[in-house]
Amino acid sequence: GENVEQHPSTLSVQEGDSAVIKCTYSDSASNYFPWYKQELGKRPQLIIDIRSNVGEKKDQRIAVTLNKTAKHFSLHITETQPEDSAVYFCAASIGTGNQFYFGTGTSLTVIP
Amino acid sequence: SAVISQKPSRDICQRGTSLTIQCQVDSQVTMMFWYRQQPGQSLTLIATANQGSEATYESGFVIDKFPISRPNLTFSTLTVSNMSPEDSSIYLCSVVRPSGTQYFGPGTRLTVL
Repeated sequence: GENVEQHPSTLSVQEGDSAVIKCTYSDSASNYFPWYKQELGKRPQLIIDIRSNVGEKKDQRIAVTLNKTAKHFSLHITETQPEDSAVYFCAASIGTGNQFYFGTGTSLTVIP
Repeated sequence: SAVISQKPSRDICQRGTSLTIQCQVDSQVTMMFWYRQQPGQSLTLIATANQGSEATYESGFVIDKFPISRPNLTFSTLTVSNMSPEDSSIYLCSVVRPSGTQYFGPGTRLTVL
């Protein structure tokens, strides 16, 4: 089955700096890659996603890039703010309605 | 998006007892999943709740321990049976929209003494 690896496990940045989280996947059939943000005690919330027919997607301060050849995708957060502090999970899925495979999570701390 | 509710939001249970968690969605969905998230860990898929048929369990999870019901396209239950302290965790249901986007319920925080 699919194996998703995520790095780093923890990340601290100064407010205003950028943060980058990277994930790799093993199954070339995976074609949907969402990113979730989970604040302490809350449910995972979808923040951005990308499909395999697109190389990059941006939504205000967050962006996701996908390299299908290398089988990796990354989350980029620019101009970080303290409220960006949370655990971020990447995931990979094949098709629609199929199982999602999650990365191990990255705990991001934005230092004011 | 999707409006998903779970009951109870939290519970403290005694060893050897069972707890049933309910998941309600605001509209019909084909795919519903149950996950477990232990403190500081990622999300582990327990099973896919199939409407009208038996749930599909992932490796390491069995029906006798985690029976699941899916009587219709908006509702599912997960029972944690014969609980032990190792079952203390957050249990989340999720749904997948036709677009392929997955949304999570608020979770049930279970503590087993």
